[in-house]
Amino acid sequence: NAGVTQTPKFQVLKTGQSMTLQCAQDMNHEYMSWYRQDPGMGLRLIHYSVGAGITDQGEVPNGYNVSRSTTEDFPLRLLSAAPSQTSVYFCASSFQGWGYTFGSGTRLTVV
Amino acid sequence: DQQVKQNSPSLSVQEGRISILNCDYTNSMFDYFLWYKKYPAEGPTFLISISSIKDKNEDGRFTVFLNKSAKHLSLHIVPSQPGDSAVYFCAAKWVGLAGGGNKLTFGTGTQLKVEL
Repeated sequence: NAGVTQTPKFQVLKTGQSMTLQCAQDMNHEYMSWYRQDPGMGLRLIHYSVGAGITDQGEVPNGYNVSRSTTEDFPLRLLSAAPSQTSVYFCASSFQGWGYTFGSGTRLTVV
Repeated sequence: DQQVKQNSPSLSVQEGRISILNCDYTNSMFDYFLWYKKYPAEGPTFLISISSIKDKNEDGRFTVFLNKSAKHLSLHIVPSQPGDSAVYFCAAKWVGLAGGGNKLTFGTGTQLKVEL
């Protein structure tokens, strides 16, 4: 099925560990972005990309890295996990900023 | 600084009645507004949107109203159905901003419960 696929769905990390949240889309969308959802905070933009090789910071980029080597994939890397990064992470893609499609999310717990 | 605000964390309505969800924004540069619906353990799904050049957009049971002078928008669901029970997020963006088309600013969400 066409859409945005996020893996893993759940993850528990120890403080200081690193990991990569994967995001892939098969709709040939140029625009991709990462959001985190926290209670009482809504969804906040972490990083975004308007095409392969182009990334930029969103509202809450600290502690996260991204790269975009292909149109399809937009991984989010946590280099040294902290408890403050416990959250639900959503990846989204869109056609030039219209018609956003979200993945089903990755629930991350940092202990 | 919360640029998009949904001041009602929850709303309960009876099946068949109207649900009205409200959203306020502070950034006057926002020129496109969207509503998303979210079920537990799923990603948000797009519901309806409106450009700042309009004051109303309708799609079936869903209507969004925009009052630019008040920086306020609302989502009306008529008639409400039990399947509408979900969290509703209001979002806004500034299309004219470089990369702005990719920057959605979300509200904190309103949990709608439609009761039988």
